Amino acid sequence: ETGVTQTPRHLVMGMTNKKSLKCEQHLGHNAMYWYKQSAKKPLELMFVYSLEERVENNSVPSRFSPECPNSSHLFLHLHTLQPEDSALYLCASSQDRWGENTEAFFGQGTRLTVV
Amino acid sequence: AQSVAQPEDQVNVAEGNPLTVKCTYSVSGNPYLFWYVQYPNRGLQFLLKYITGDNLVKGSYGFEAEFNKSQTSFHLKKPSALVSDSALYFCAVRDDLSGGSYIPTFGRGTSLIVHP
Repeated sequence: ETGVTQTPRHLVMGMTNKKSLKCEQHLGHNAMYWYKQSAKKPLELMFVYSLEERVENNSVPSRFSPECPNSSHLFLHLHTLQPEDSALYLCASSQDRWGENTEAFFGQGTRLTVV
Repeated sequence: AQSVAQPEDQVNVAEGNPLTVKCTYSVSGNPYLFWYVQYPNRGLQFLLKYITGDNLVKGSYGFEAEFNKSQTSFHLKKPSALVSDSALYFCAVRDDLSGGSYIPTFGRGTSLIVHP
């Protein structure tokens, strides 16, 4: 148990559906991240929030919409996804900016399948 | 710019034998280095990090890693492998040079398979 909880663990959705992924951290961290992990591809950083403000957005399609209402919660809203968006979506958090003498803690991920 | 390479997609080792998972990096300044492990259908778990200090870093589950500046490497090692160590291992690096991204870059991962 890392202190970062993601729900749901598994999600199957159609291309016209709207769904949301939720991430909650109980570590008192100030930064939160969304990553996409696809088979046989490097881990892709999608979004970074620091103190509830988005600080990075790595050219992610607009069908993915993040929301960070407070420092403990992070959402990823999904709409009109494509089958190639099927992947494991990982949430992470860190005390401050990750890499500045601190490590990130990851949730267990949401396995998303788009049909 | 920062980059990291894990040259082996898969490493096979017999239980009880020592294991090494390789990682090399490239940075403009000094590196911050991390190892993470991922078990099937799970998130990444932090194993260890090198920021500064001793070149040999000890981490969780009996793992250690050796920072070698001249070879720009940070190989993960364990003296005696367990079947339960079978997992996907990720190396990550961040360049401490100001002005760069503070988010570490991950390698592609190395699948470790420990045979009974």
